[in-house]
Amino acid sequence: EADIYQTPRYLVIGTGKKITLECSQTMGHDKMYWYQQDPGMELHLIHYSYGVNSTEKGDLSSESTVSRIRTEHFPLTLESARPSHTSQYLCASSELVGGEAFFGQGTRLTVV
Amino acid sequence: ELKVEQNPLFLSMQEGKNYTIYCNYSTTSDRLYWYRQDPGKSLESLFVLLSNGAVKQEGRLMASLDTKARLSTLHITAAVHDLSATYFCAVIGGFEGYGNKLVFGAGTILRVKS
Repeated sequence: EADIYQTPRYLVIGTGKKITLECSQTMGHDKMYWYQQDPGMELHLIHYSYGVNSTEKGDLSSESTVSRIRTEHFPLTLESARPSHTSQYLCASSELVGGEAFFGQGTRLTVV
Repeated sequence: ELKVEQNPLFLSMQEGKNYTIYCNYSTTSDRLYWYRQDPGKSLESLFVLLSNGAVKQEGRLMASLDTKARLSTLHITAAVHDLSATYFCAVIGGFEGYGNKLVFGAGTILRVKS
């Protein structure tokens, strides 16, 4: 059973605010990922990590940043939110590089 | 650049009918995944296809992989309303600078009508 949790599920926030989206997994996976998905659209990889203190940018340029201080935790931060950041953010983890990815429930972010 | 193309992008079908969703990809890969996403929800893993000729079945869904043709199919048999969702295929990027990351297709929105 996949156990990967994201909070908050929904967030409406004003322009210019700093926000952190939380993602935690209890499966002991080294590999974690953040995807951005606009409604009805495909997923785009924005950040990934293959272990503690290892983070890389994904294929879609993003103004967000991530950190990986603990294996189970992979938060994503936006220093100054803008309406263009409105989207759904999905966190995932996998045991192996290129292995099956398990997804969290997602955070639907709206910046007004 | 790795491209993953799904066809069709939108499918409206009657209950009881059969149909196939296609997933083509542009680079060598021997690992392909199918996911389902309900509206406003996250992705649920459906099938993991790990080799050429792999075929997996679960209920009314059957997935297959042809690595030579760089093609996977998701076949729906006797569709029911509960199958309405968006279906994504995803391919591992392989060795061409893609770091073995998953690349997703655009998704196929399936609506099954009574």
